[in-house]
Amino acid sequence: DQQVKQNSPSLSVQEGRISILNCDYTNSMFDYFLWYKKYPAEGPTFLISISSIKDKNEDGRFTVFLNKSAKHLSLHIVPSQPGDSAVYFCAASSSGTYKYIFGTGTRLKVLA
Amino acid sequence: EAQVTQNPRYLITVTGKKLTVTCSQNMNHEYMSWYRQDPGLGLRQIYYSMNVEVTDKGDVPEGYKVSRKEKRNFPLILESPSPNQTSLYFCASRLTGTEYGYTFGSGTRLTVV
Repeated sequence: DQQVKQNSPSLSVQEGRISILNCDYTNSMFDYFLWYKKYPAEGPTFLISISSIKDKNEDGRFTVFLNKSAKHLSLHIVPSQPGDSAVYFCAASSSGTYKYIFGTGTRLKVLA
Repeated sequence: EAQVTQNPRYLITVTGKKLTVTCSQNMNHEYMSWYRQDPGLGLRQIYYSMNVEVTDKGDVPEGYKVSRKEKRNFPLILESPSPNQTSLYFCASRLTGTEYGYTFGSGTRLTVV
């Protein structure tokens, strides 16, 4: 059973526009969420996180929104740049556990 | 430079021939983990370790072993590799506490024929 789902395998966006990547989860015990970015031939790198006590967290061009009632989070990238083209994974965890559950990833392509 | 180092980057082996993928981190992180990445399945946790001599199974531990004799090292052992273990493997480390993100290694692409 996939507890963390990224239903869009791929997304194409024009440079300068907004990219919105979505992630849904089923476990209501999850209280911490992260986004990772992965380039080919490299390991994933941490991008941004959010705790369940917040509904928004910003870091430069990246903003993560959390809707706990819908069990949904999204990553907004504004403005999108060609260097943002990568696979993005969301991950979720529960306090007191040592596990992160990752989604299947969304491949973002930013067109110049 | 703070990093997680995995070796080898690429490995082709035959069914049944024991192999070890090494992982080392220089950040004094307590928590280390192994993941495998497969198309359509994302990153799945194989094993994790909360500290020296403390390891536990993740979601897909069958066919793998690990050890944590030193804080910095967390090798992944395949005693008798099979073709279904062909995958991209990542080692990762972080500080204890869910608010800390992982630092991942660059990956090991393993092919078992």
